[in-house]
Amino acid sequence: DAGITQSPRHKVTETGTPVTLRCHQTENHRYMYWYRQDPGHGLRLIHYSYGVKDTDKGEVSDGYSVSRSKTEDFLLTLESATSSQTSVYFCAISAASYNEQFFGPGTRLTVL
Amino acid sequence: GENVEQHPSTLSVQEGDSAVIKCTYSDSASNYFPWYKQELGKGPQLIIDIRSNVGEKKDQRIAVTLNKTAKHFSLHITETQPEDSAVYFCAASMGNQGGKLIFGQGTELSVKP
Repeated sequence: DAGITQSPRHKVTETGTPVTLRCHQTENHRYMYWYRQDPGHGLRLIHYSYGVKDTDKGEVSDGYSVSRSKTEDFLLTLESATSSQTSVYFCAISAASYNEQFFGPGTRLTVL
Repeated sequence: GENVEQHPSTLSVQEGDSAVIKCTYSDSASNYFPWYKQELGKGPQLIIDIRSNVGEKKDQRIAVTLNKTAKHFSLHITETQPEDSAVYFCAASMGNQGGKLIFGQGTELSVKP
């Protein structure tokens, strides 16, 4: 398995609270991605990074922000969590934009 | 933007039979098409991929075909086994847009012993 870890693996929080999910890689890959997975929607891209401090939006970026201060870490922040953000969140990494992506184990987030 | 449609949403086969999952994409600029297998409680795992300069690719019991003119690609699994039971996702990507993957909705494959 690619060296990708996500933390926490499970989280329950209340509406309006801030939440930060962490993705950590040991592969030194340049590209990192955050996706969310919901029934009937497959996986949808939230944000991605193409280098330290370089990020861009995906399909469903509203309500989310990201930061990447080191190659190995990519953080996803929900500034004020809403029930619609209850989902499973996956991080992925890739050596280049035209290379295969490898996924982490996921974080299950429940917003009450 | 790109849109990927995947069919069927569920597929049940007998062990030893073949399974075929089909996807269509909308943007002719897409040039990379991976397939992922996801087991319960785990992240998606890449099983095979194909690029737009190739029409077919095989890896043991798994094959993928691509028809660029019709903008569709398919996953073929032969001699299915119970451990092939999982959810399968197709995706499409344009490498010049940061490698963003657009996923299909998924197919739940069940292989009955």
